[in-house]
Amino acid sequence: AQSVTQLDSHVSVSEGTPVLLRCNYSSSYSPSLFWYVQHPNKGLQLLLKYTSAATLVKGINGFEAEFKKSETSFHLTKPSAHMSDAAEYFCVVSANSGYSTLTFGKGTMLLVSP
Amino acid sequence: DTAVSQTPKYLVTQMGNDKSIKCEQNLGHDTMYWYKQDSKKFLKIMFSYNNKELIINETVPNRFSPKSPDKAHLNLHINSLELGDSAVYFCASSSTSGRAINEQFFGPGTRLTVL
Repeated sequence: AQSVTQLDSHVSVSEGTPVLLRCNYSSSYSPSLFWYVQHPNKGLQLLLKYTSAATLVKGINGFEAEFKKSETSFHLTKPSAHMSDAAEYFCVVSANSGYSTLTFGKGTMLLVSP
Repeated sequence: DTAVSQTPKYLVTQMGNDKSIKCEQNLGHDTMYWYKQDSKKFLKIMFSYNNKELIINETVPNRFSPKSPDKAHLNLHINSLELGDSAVYFCASSSTSGRAINEQFFGPGTRLTVL
């Protein structure tokens, strides 16, 4: 069994300030972890993924996430927010098996003010 | 050159009707999925097909019937539509081999509104 908890339903930042979106997971298996982003009325786009290689993962648009097994966390960060980062972000866990079932967190809405 | 495409993008219909949503992927993947995103943005797996065989079937009413004519297509047919079926439905695909195991590529979604 696997689950994901996104600790904040909304995060508000000012443009140019750092972003931190928090995610904790549980999994019976060695997991793969992902962050997806969904802009308003759009589909889901993969930001980055962790699949048991380097624990610090770099993604698109300046985002990165660090896998911490001891804390069962996979927090998403960005040094400097941009207005275009405003969107819904989903933390996702998957068992490392062929028929992967993705389990989604409930999402964190990132709001960026000028 | 869209990787995962869905049609239609918007679907508005009356209660009790039957409707279908189509999904196609040109990524050469062997596994396809349907997800439902409710009004609170929560995404939940409905079905998964691998090489045209059903491998995941979550607790979805049997009014929902997926059909996979080939590896590149996974359609979703819904009978006797109900108000609670209103949601955004996402198709996705992935490969079960190679370096990109578990990474799923999503379509743009179909927003279904039942009146």
